[in-house]
Amino acid sequence: DIQMTQSPSTLSASVGDRVTITCRASQSITRWLAWYQQKPGKAPKLLIYDASSLQGGVPSRFSGSGSGTEFTLTISSLQPDDFATYYCQQYNTYSRAAFGQGTLVEIK
Amino acid sequence: QVQLVESGGGVVQPGGSLRLSCAASGFTFGNYDMHWVRQAPDKGLEWVAVISYDTNRNYYSDSVQGRFTISADKSKNTLYLQMNSLRVEDTAVYYCAKVLKGHSSSWCFDHWGQGTLVTVSS
Repeated sequence: DIQMTQSPSTLSASVGDRVTITCRASQSITRWLAWYQQKPGKAPKLLIYDASSLQGGVPSRFSGSGSGTEFTLTISSLQPDDFATYYCQQYNTYSRAAFGQGTLVEIK
Repeated sequence: QVQLVESGGGVVQPGGSLRLSCAASGFTFGNYDMHWVRQAPDKGLEWVAVISYDTNRNYYSDSVQGRFTISADKSKNTLYLQMNSLRVEDTAVYYCAKVLKGHSSSWCFDHWGQGTLVTVSS
């Protein structure tokens, strides 16, 4: 099975900072990667799909890049509403989906 | 607008059974693969199972294979998860999720339910 590894596990940042989260796959997933934001007690929210496509309604400060085994989620200027946990998810394999372990973005 | 509403969670003893339901509305249910994803307390997301849009294919994570069964009733626009032989480690919030693209193997999830809590404890 494909394993997804996110780094860092926790990130401390301030409003206005540029933030980057990395997700690595144990084997190539071409561009079949999504990013989600989750706040406590809430369901995840899709931010990015197909590695770099912005989901409708998501602010343009969020962007995704990468292909193969290495991917990044970038928040260009962190806003108060962005403090949350972020997950990557691969969907390269039809019969399995897998999430990364999550990255908590907390207030510095 | 798309709505997914889960129900059926609760407290069950180890070895017991439970059936979760997910009532879907606001989209053509029969056009989309549907999934269950769970989240143990203070843990990350774990994919559990999928049923294809035509209900011909089901797949499961290794952790639930042989114990859980996913199904769907297109006439009721409802997704189910039958959970048997429950273990303490199955304790989690269970979400149903709709994929972004219809008739597609692209499994990213654009809509999620609010989740239903399953607690397995003696």
